[in-house]
Amino acid sequence: AQKVTQAQTEISVVEKEDVTLDCVYETRDTTYYLFWYKQPPSGELVFLIRRNSFDEQNEISGRYSWNFQKSTSSFNFTITASQVVDSAVYFCALGFTGGGNKLTFGTGTQLKVEL
Amino acid sequence: DTAVSQTPKYLVTQMGNDKSIKCEQNLGHDTMYWYKQDSKKFLKIMFSYNNKELIINETVPNRFSPKSPDKAHLNLHINSLELGDSAVYFCASSQAGGPHTQYFGPGTRLTVL
Repeated sequence: AQKVTQAQTEISVVEKEDVTLDCVYETRDTTYYLFWYKQPPSGELVFLIRRNSFDEQNEISGRYSWNFQKSTSSFNFTITASQVVDSAVYFCALGFTGGGNKLTFGTGTQLKVEL
Repeated sequence: DTAVSQTPKYLVTQMGNDKSIKCEQNLGHDTMYWYKQDSKKFLKIMFSYNNKELIINETVPNRFSPKSPDKAHLNLHINSLELGDSAVYFCASSQAGGPHTQYFGPGTRLTVL
């Protein structure tokens, strides 16, 4: 069975702080994919990153970075120098080949960035 | 150009009514989905269609019936609406196979009174 755990329900930080959102997954598949999506207060779901299970290289995109560690089944997301516009709910998701493209989402982490 | 669009954005209706939500994508994708997001923000897949063929049907009440007239459209019809159907419904699309990145529509907030 596929499972994604985002243990942090809500995080509050002050602007310019760095913040890490945790994502732990469970799967028996050897080939799988991990995703992060952002849901700002306006409600849409915005794709941030897709990573396959064979690529453990960390990725950086501007202020965003992702740390994928198969040994701990984690795919954590760090925002450096957070800004108010980063305030959103962030979802981690897991998919696997043969699953008909089904994504299993975590319960999301609400990030609030205050001035 | 909107990649995945849904109409309507808001839908308020009475219990027992029948309603439809429409979804269209212009990304050239073969696979489309419906997700339900409940009041606690939990996202769960309902259906997946690949090139008009039903691929995933996740224990959804049969009051919910998806219809895909072509691979660019996936509509959701809901019969005999219940209070518990109140939620935000998201349509998404992706390339076939994968799992590839799913691109989501803006969502339809359904409120059943």
